[in-house]
Amino acid sequence: GAGVSQSPSNKVTEKGKDVELRCDPISGHTALYWYRQRLGQGLEFLIYFQGNSAPDKSGLPSDRFSAERTGESVSTLTIQRTQQEDSAVYLCASSKGTGTSNQPQHFGDGTRLSIL
Amino acid sequence: GQQLNQSPQSMFIQEGEDVSMNCTSSSIFNTWLWYKQEPGEGPVLLIALYKAGELTSNGRLTAQFGITRKDSFLNISASIPSDVGIYFCAGPSGGTYKYIFGTGTRLKVLA
Repeated sequence: GAGVSQSPSNKVTEKGKDVELRCDPISGHTALYWYRQRLGQGLEFLIYFQGNSAPDKSGLPSDRFSAERTGESVSTLTIQRTQQEDSAVYLCASSKGTGTSNQPQHFGDGTRLSIL
Repeated sequence: GQQLNQSPQSMFIQEGEDVSMNCTSSSIFNTWLWYKQEPGEGPVLLIALYKAGELTSNGRLTAQFGITRKDSFLNISASIPSDVGIYFCAGPSGGTYKYIFGTGTRLKVLA
């Protein structure tokens, strides 16, 4: 499709399990972002990838969170040893980023993660 | 750090009414973005503003980049039920790629 694609759309798992979330950005978009959105809240920046540069991981809340991206394609966000506080919608966005600030981000529909 | 404050937090309006919401920053932005998010979906870009004083329309939506570069406004004219959703403003933190988002204005339209 033409938009940002995320999978799965919903994920329910038990506390302590690891989860992997996937994002397919818009073709040709070099920049990719992950955000977390807790219920009724705004978007919390997690991590940013730009081309082959080192990612900005400054928003990752703990070392249980990690993300990878190969080149300018798919990205995966991994949460290890999940906690109930990790329950949220995880949103991915991509843009024609060149490291400048004026490229709007386009979002996927998110993965709704529920930790039991 | 930079913060974006949106007001009002929520609005209940009658169909056909005009809506106005705003976003203020503690520091200067060089870009303002307005998004709408509906339940179960990701935010969708409505309008992007790149220049102080800029006024841009997208159908019934009009947004303005404040002259001080610390605020932006979004207006919706003649609201309809499908305008329901959460409206977010966003701007680049420190002029970089790292956008910060406001806490959102929740709009409900009563038919």
